[in-house]
Amino acid sequence: EVQLVESGGGLIQPGGSLRLSCAASGFSVSTNYMTWVRQAPGKGLECVSLIYSGDTTFYADSVKGRFTISRDNSKNTLYLQMNSLTADDTAVYYCAVRGQLELDGFDLWGLGTMVTVSS
Amino acid sequence: SYELTQPLSVSVALGQTAIFTCGGNNIETRLVHWYQQKAGQAPVLVIFRNQKRPSGIPERFSGSNSGNTATLTVSRAQAGDEADYYCQVWDGTNWVFGGGTKLTV
Repeated sequence: EVQLVESGGGLIQPGGSLRLSCAASGFSVSTNYMTWVRQAPGKGLECVSLIYSGDTTFYADSVKGRFTISRDNSKNTLYLQMNSLTADDTAVYYCAVRGQLELDGFDLWGLGTMVTVSS
Repeated sequence: SYELTQPLSVSVALGQTAIFTCGGNNIETRLVHWYQQKAGQAPVLVIFRNQKRPSGIPERFSGSNSGNTATLTVSRAQAGDEADYYCQVWDGTNWVFGGGTKLTV
């Protein structure tokens, strides 16, 4: 069965760091187009980071210079290292894969992990 | 960056047709994906590439894209269709989502 399971969220003080993990099963994260999408409480969806075509990465302006996306092929896991966190980073963070089950679109999502930045 | 505009809410009676619009400049030149997100759950892809339906999505869900508006249509709406619906396109550098439309049945 193909699935994604996120972990690593929690309560963190402003200025702190967290590393989110997204464990994949049933397919390889190393050869797929992966993304982190976040959703602030009561708000819409925002794609904050991508990794694809080997190790090509992209970051939204809102997180550029603070977040780093990476993957560990041996653990079949996607990561998001988040530094210098602010209250604006408070959100549910989802990992998703593009084109795993269908030709296009983010067709497989994890359940999400909540990150709360507060003192 | 490219912007997508969605109405905040749509309300239909049980069994009627719900129509969701997604406005963007010359959006017909882009491939649009649609997601359904029920309360407390992760998004689910319901339409990809304007009109294609993923496996397991009912035929009641259909999509189109013309001019400056992409449209998701949900026929014979059921109580279980109540959710937020988001459109998505690639803007050349990143994936952009519309603000989402809440469906009330």
